[in-house]
Formats: sequence, structure tokens, C-alpha cells
Amino acid sequence: GESVGLHLPTLSVQEGDNSIINCAYSNSASDYFIWYKQESGKGPQFIIDIRSNMDKRQGQRVTVLLNKTVKHLSLQIAATQPGDSAVYFCAESDDKIIFGKGTRLHILP
Amino acid sequence: NAGVTQTPKFQVLKTGQSMTLQCAQDMNHNSMYWYRQDPGMGLRLIYYSASEGTTDKGEVPNGYNVSRLNKREFSLRLESAAPSQTSVYFCASSPQTGVHNEQFFGPGTRLTVL
Repeated sequence: GESVGLHLPTLSVQEGDNSIINCAYSNSASDYFIWYKQESGKGPQFIIDIRSNMDKRQGQRVTVLLNKTVKHLSLQIAATQPGDSAVYFCAESDDKIIFGKGTRLHILP
Repeated sequence: NAGVTQTPKFQVLKTGQSMTLQCAQDMNHNSMYWYRQDPGMGLRLIYYSASEGTTDKGEVPNGYNVSRLNKREFSLRLESAAPSQTSVYFCASSPQTGVHNEQFFGPGTRLTVL
């Protein structure tokens, strides 16, 4: 079946550096992609989304890149801060949302 | 606005016991969802309600029932709890189902079945 996955389960980044979290998807019919952030003990929180007719979208300190050719999605976080420590999920949607397993972002002091 | 609220926050059950997880949203959203989250796995959809009066199965519906009580409230019931249902349960809501659809999540209910 179709699935959404992540390349790395844990990512450690020095505070102040940029973080890149990657995601692969396999459903070519998906036309909407979302990144969620989940802090410890809390529910997921929407970060940024992108439609399939775009290949890049920027938010505040975050950028999502979509490469439909290789079915790849990435989340870039600029100037990573301690508050960015969390699990990040990508998700794809055509009718219902399907979530990936998550990547834990660990910030090194 | 409180957003999405869930009760209880924590619950311990014995095998075979029943319970209902409550969820409410104050954003006037049409669609509501129940997910479970297990270690090392992504969120998995149990049931959803596209609109008041409708419910549909998600990826893992076995052992659960739901009720969309009104537009605000969507409850999840475990009739006979099993250890395999130990998990963290999240309720979510969105303006509607379908594409281009940000979901808003509650804080979760951590359930342990002994």
C-alpha cells in the first residue's frame, strides 16, 4: 500500500545551525503535504503546508521543498533554537491525511 | 478559544473494562478525527467524522466505536479494552475533510490497559 516515511529517525543539530528533515512519499496522487511538530507530551502542531503545484514554500524560519519527480519532501529550519526540539512528522493527503513515523530533532548546545 | 480539548488526560484500565474518551472543539469545524499514536509509529487514523451525523472507519477501527454527538463533540469508546489498545489517543478537528486541510489536535489521552 501507499505509505509516507522518513529517512532518519533522529537528527542532532548544533544550536544556530540549519536543520533539514527529509521525507519520502509514495502516493503520486497526493496533492497536499504538511509538516507537523510534536513537542513532548503534546499533540501535533501544524507548521507549514505545500500544494503539489508548488515546489517551495517559506514560512517564518521554515521552508518546505517538494520534489515530485522523486517523491521527496523536506523541511528546513533556519538558525535552529532549543525550542525547535521536537518530533517532526510529514504527512500527505489526497482524501485523508496519512502521517509518517516522525523524526526527532535534538538540539546540541 | 480552547481549541480541541480531550478528557481524561490519563487512564488505566484492566483488560475487559470499557471506557469513553471525550473530545470537544470550539472552532465550529465540520470534521473530527480520532488517532492513536504508538512508539516508533506514525499517527494512525481510527475513525473520523466528515460532518455531524456521519462517521467512517479509518485505518485501525477494530475494537473501537465512535459517536458524533453534535458538531462540537466526538467520542471514542472502547467496549472491552485489550492490552494492544495501550496507546496515546489524539482527537483532531478540521474545517472539512479532503485536501488542503490543516488539522488541529488536542493534547492527547494516555491510556494503559493492564
